[in-house]
Amino acid sequence: EPEVTQTPSHQVTQMGQEVILRCVPISNHLYFYWYRQILGQKVEFLVSFYNNEISEKSEIFDDQFSVERPDGSNFTLKIRSTKLEDSAMYFCASRTRQTTDTQYFGPGTRLTVL
Amino acid sequence: RKEVEQDPGPFNVPEGATVAFNCTYSNSASQSFFWYRQDCRKEPKLLMSVYSSGNEDGRFTAQLNRASQYISLLIRDSKLSDSATYLCVVTITGANNLFFGTGTRLTVIP
Repeated sequence: EPEVTQTPSHQVTQMGQEVILRCVPISNHLYFYWYRQILGQKVEFLVSFYNNEISEKSEIFDDQFSVERPDGSNFTLKIRSTKLEDSAMYFCASRTRQTTDTQYFGPGTRLTVL
Repeated sequence: RKEVEQDPGPFNVPEGATVAFNCTYSNSASQSFFWYRQDCRKEPKLLMSVYSSGNEDGRFTAQLNRASQYISLLIRDSKLSDSATYLCVVTITGANNLFFGTGTRLTVIP
């Protein structure tokens, strides 16, 4: 069964450093998402991406964040200058065209900012 | 304003018990409804979609009451492997992202 993959599984970084989280969505999917989950809290939407551009973003997704689909398979989330409060689990998800279609989540990247 | 509200639990039930979780959503434009399951430090995985007429998948039954903006999940004959956090999730018309509740933690005890 096809699945969303994410790398790395765990990233430790110093405050102020840039990090890039990588995702490979399911190959025939067209919509891509990033969500985050701070420890003990709910899963929160960050951004959605379709047709090589951002389609929606939340208030969390400020100028520190950017997304890119650099080639036909990867989908990346960049945090320019990490803060302590960016420590969280970051999940990538993807789905096909229909809005009612299930979003499939990757295993997540645990980001720890020291 | 919380889009989706759930009782965080925890619910500790013996094997074989029946347990029910409830969820309320605030936006009347909510369009699609789901229950996801999340194991500790893992990704959310779709358990089932929730339809207006109610639907069943094996030991799991989901109900939706649009008038009351209320969703429920019933688990019959609980197994140890059902221990997880159950997430109530909705989508809203005009937005294609998912809105998650905080989850209800279930522990099934031998």
